[in-house]
Amino acid sequence: GDQVEQSPSALSLHEGTDSALRCNFTTTMRSVQWFRQNSRGSLISLFYLASGTKENGRLKSAFDSKERRYSTLHIRDAQLEDSGTYFCAAEATGGNNKLTFGQGTVLSVIP
Amino acid sequence: NAGVIQTPRHKVTGKGQEATLWCEPISGHSAVFWYRQTIVQGLEFLTYFRNQAPIDDSGMPKERFSAQMPNQSHSTLKIQSTQPQDSAVYLCASSFTGSDYTFGSGTRLLVI
Repeated sequence: GDQVEQSPSALSLHEGTDSALRCNFTTTMRSVQWFRQNSRGSLISLFYLASGTKENGRLKSAFDSKERRYSTLHIRDAQLEDSGTYFCAAEATGGNNKLTFGQGTVLSVIP
Repeated sequence: NAGVIQTPRHKVTGKGQEATLWCEPISGHSAVFWYRQTIVQGLEFLTYFRNQAPIDDSGMPKERFSAQMPNQSHSTLKIQSTQPQDSAVYLCASSFTGSDYTFGSGTRLLVI
């Protein structure tokens, strides 16, 4: 089946630093969505992209518009409240709206 | 907009009992999805409705699991004869377009 490979699986960042998460797809995807799961378990949508890039505050996401085989999530000036588990999820072309999730990145921001 | 509402938030059942989980999608959203999250398997697709009609149930275990959407304001996921391996967080999501999901807070099911 369609595979979503997310990296890294875990990441520790000092406050104020920048980093990026990445998802590679084994097949062409129609769209990608990034989520953060908070300590209560709620999946909060960060970005939905069918192509190109989107930015919201210190977060920016990109979806490779040409081959549609990867997406990135950039975190700038990391803050303590950014800690959590981040998931990417992608919808395959012709995939009937079903999302396939990556395994997640556990992000810890430390003072 | 109260978002996607899932009830109950937590449910504990004895092995062999039935569990019914409820989901109220965002008003106006025609697509409703059910997912299951476990430590081992991560987030797995279960089933999908559009305009109340079942579209794809390829992720549903063939036995004991069923889902319905009797009207546009709620969907149910029923697990008969629950087993310990059914313990998971069950997540419901809705979407206006079929993409760009909004998830509920989930129901944490524990089978003992």
